[in-house]
Amino acid sequence: GAVVSQHPSRVICKSGTSVKIECRSLDFQATTMFWYRQFPKKSLMLMATSNEGSKATYEQGVEKDKFLINHASLTLSTLTVTSAHPEDSSFYICSASRVPGNTGELFFGEGSRLTVL
Amino acid sequence: AQKVTQAQTEISVVEKEDVTLDCVYETRDTTYYLFWYKQPPSGELVFLIRRNSFDEQNEISGRYSWNFQKSTSSFNFTITASQVVDSAVYFCALSERLYSTLTFGKGTMLLVSP
Repeated sequence: GAVVSQHPSRVICKSGTSVKIECRSLDFQATTMFWYRQFPKKSLMLMATSNEGSKATYEQGVEKDKFLINHASLTLSTLTVTSAHPEDSSFYICSASRVPGNTGELFFGEGSRLTVL
Repeated sequence: AQKVTQAQTEISVVEKEDVTLDCVYETRDTTYYLFWYKQPPSGELVFLIRRNSFDEQNEISGRYSWNFQKSTSSFNFTITASQVVDSAVYFCALSERLYSTLTFGKGTMLLVSP
């Protein structure tokens, strides 16, 4: 079956540093990937929609310069948290839609837990 | 605007009990898709089911069953004879298009004790 993989699964960094999270679709091409953020005991909130070869579409309230998204190929999207601060600590999850396909199922990565000290 | 409400924040049951997780949704679209995902403590989201708005047939998969009722905008999830391994957070989600973004409910944490 289709698999979406995220790396790293856990990252701890110092305040002020930048962290890059990768989201890969392993056996299908994904023209569109989605990045979600989940706070402890909270729901998943969509951050942005990543489109291959074009700029990401950010949800209202999400800082574009803070959360840089690059979707350079059909199998890879990256989320870079720039100048991370403790309030950026969260669980970040990506998902991808298969192209072409008719399962209607979005495939989710395993998630990346970011802790900023 | 779309909205998904999971009114039950946390449910605790004893093994072998049946449990129903409620999901109520709001949408102006006539075509939409409903999902249930399981999130175990490890964090990954596990797809359980997708249902489109034109298909109101209830579905059973092993110990899992889903009751979709458009009249009440509900898509409830029942686990029969619960097991400890069912302990997780369960999310109901809504999408207006295939391959599109999902609007998630806040999730229901299910704790199944031995």
